[in-house]
Amino acid sequence: NAGVMQNPRHLVRRRGQEARLRCSPMKGHSHVYWYRQLPEEGLKFMVYLQKENIIDESGMPKERFSAEFPKEGPSILRIQQVVRGDSAAYFCASSPGGRADTQYFGPGTRLTVL
Amino acid sequence: GNSVTQMEGPVTLSEEAFLTINCTYTATGYPSLFWYVQYPGEGLQLLLKATKADDKGSNKGFEATYRKETTSFHLEKGSVQVSDSAVYFCALEGGGNKLTFGTGTQLKVEL
Repeated sequence: NAGVMQNPRHLVRRRGQEARLRCSPMKGHSHVYWYRQLPEEGLKFMVYLQKENIIDESGMPKERFSAEFPKEGPSILRIQQVVRGDSAAYFCASSPGGRADTQYFGPGTRLTVL
Repeated sequence: GNSVTQMEGPVTLSEEAFLTINCTYTATGYPSLFWYVQYPGEGLQLLLKATKADDKGSNKGFEATYRKETTSFHLEKGSVQVSDSAVYFCALEGGGNKLTFGTGTQLKVEL
């Protein structure tokens, strides 16, 4: 049973470019979460999605960031016009659903903005 | 809002030493509490969890007890190994399915 898959593992972008991060949840999981880990810090919640719905995006920056989890295919976190401050590790987690269900994390995508 | 406070690291121990990593939290209601471990270059792995007061989570020799009276969830292990070297994160889920993490504590175990 494959775990949470994320790709790419490493992504380098120049300022002003777009970054697309992909996350495939564990089989049977319909809830996806994105977290960001800045250097020397803990993880911060960004967004919580179920299939085709955004449930909670209270941790997402208001501009340039968007997320989706379509009916078919992986969840996508999209960052437009990246800036150096976006450099971080972005982790995706999934759960089967329900309150306090264990969230299983992917290996992360490390974004570097030059 | 919800918050988690962990002791700062790095914590350096000799193999077979006793480990305690302190974690306290602030939350309304009755959160679930978690410890996650992150090995270098990898994602987070769930180490243990507790969902109500006085519950004890345990796994791989690690233990933590949910103490509501002191709002704490300290991680302990009786005898650490070099392979336990990693960053340990305390976290809570206080509703809405989103986790609030502490800043992490790096553990280094030496021979």
